[in-house]
Amino acid sequence: EIVMTQSPATLSVSPGERATLSCRASQSVNNNLAWYQQKPGQAPRLLIYGASTRATGIPARFSGSGSGTEFTLTISSLQSEDFAVYYCQQYNNWPPGVTFGQGTKLEIK
Amino acid sequence: QVQLVESGGGVVQPGRSLRLSCAASGFTFSSYGMHWVRQVPGKGLEWVAVIWYDGSNKYYGDSVKGRFTISRDNSKNTLYLQMNSLRTEDTAVYYCARDRGQRTTEIDIWGQGTLVTVSS
Repeated sequence: EIVMTQSPATLSVSPGERATLSCRASQSVNNNLAWYQQKPGQAPRLLIYGASTRATGIPARFSGSGSGTEFTLTISSLQSEDFAVYYCQQYNNWPPGVTFGQGTKLEIK
Repeated sequence: QVQLVESGGGVVQPGRSLRLSCAASGFTFSSYGMHWVRQVPGKGLEWVAVIWYDGSNKYYGDSVKGRFTISRDNSKNTLYLQMNSLRTEDTAVYYCARDRGQRTTEIDIWGQGTLVTVSS
């Protein structure tokens, strides 16, 4: 089973600043990596798929990068609505399955 | 609009069974893979199972393998999760979710979830 490790567990950033979240896979997942945002009391929302493609309706301040085992989600200028928990997810291994990271909580500094 | 609505959650005793349903609308259900994902309140996401668009393949997370069964009825636009031999650690919010493709990729649409509580 591929293990996804996110860091840091909690990130404190001021509005308007840049946030950088990391996700590491225990073995290569190529670019089969997605990022989700989850706010309290809500279901997750797809932000990024294919490691770097923004999902429909996602603002350009969200960007994803990386391939293989190291991935990054960058939020260029934090807005108040961006403070949430972020999860990475891989879907590369066989047999087909999905693994989520444990999440990074992005909080207001 | 695209919508997934779960039902069937509730309180059940350990060792008993429960079946969740998910009604899909606003898209061609038979063209997409479908997942169940669960989340213990206040904790992270755990993938439970996936079924391919035509029901031909099903895959499960290790913690539910052999106890849970995912199925679908494309004529009714409905996804199911049959949960047997329930354990206290199965307590969670269960989300029905649509794969962005026909098989197993990323998840682009989520329901609002249904809470399952396993307790004596």
